Amino acid sequence: QVQLVESGGGVVQPGRSLRLSCAASGFTFNNYAIHWVRQAPGKGLEWVAVISYDGSNKYYADSVKGRFTISRDNSKNTLFLQMNGLRAEDTAVYYCARDQGGGFYDSSGYYYVAVCVDSWGQGSLVTVSS
Amino acid sequence: QSALTQPPSASGSPGQSVTISCTGTSSDVGGYKYVSWYQQHPGKAPKLMIYEVSKRPSGVPDRFSGSKSGNTASLTVSGLQAEDEADYYCSSYAGSNNFVFGTGTKVTVL
Repeated sequence: QVQLVESGGGVVQPGRSLRLSCAASGFTFNNYAIHWVRQAPGKGLEWVAVISYDGSNKYYADSVKGRFTISRDNSKNTLFLQMNGLRAEDTAVYYCARDQGGGFYDSSGYYYVAVCVDSWGQGSLVTVSS
Repeated sequence: QSALTQPPSASGSPGQSVTISCTGTSSDVGGYKYVSWYQQHPGKAPKLMIYEVSKRPSGVPDRFSGSKSGNTASLTVSGLQAEDEADYYCSSYAGSNNFVFGTGTKVTVL
């Protein structure tokens, strides 16, 4: 079955960097777009970023654009999130999540990298605090 | 990228139905068929319950149903059971390969 296991979380000071990893198994990793979604303590879900199946397309939420970088190594079935310039408001559980579809053009020629998260990891807690 | 609007809470007795709304704009919920719903129990990862507005993944009971009208999507849970008590989040494709989640609704089974 689909397994997504995040690692790399921890406590980091404001302004510093952290890199999260997500090891995938149970499916053909290089066929699927993958997202990062976060959840601040006691708060709702927030979409962070998505990367296409081949890593050629990447999209970010405005709240992290320019600070976070999503990447993947399909040879190692692993997803990454490089987080720079961390702020207190980045404190959250970060989930790695597989997309259900994507990687297609619709009838009007619009390209969908992803459409819907269908599987989630258990999450990795990142705490930004001095 | 404003969050979709959901009521903070909803409740019903066992066997009853509860409906949760999810209001967005023509740039997200109203503009695409890629609206989904997730169930999250405390301390657990979310679980996909509905995708493409009204489709159920394999293994999700048919007590869960989804619909959309204009810029508002809805999730209905019929025949409420104790295990349905959880937080529920909607999500929508928001154009330009961006996504947005709802504010979340806590469902209580009385």
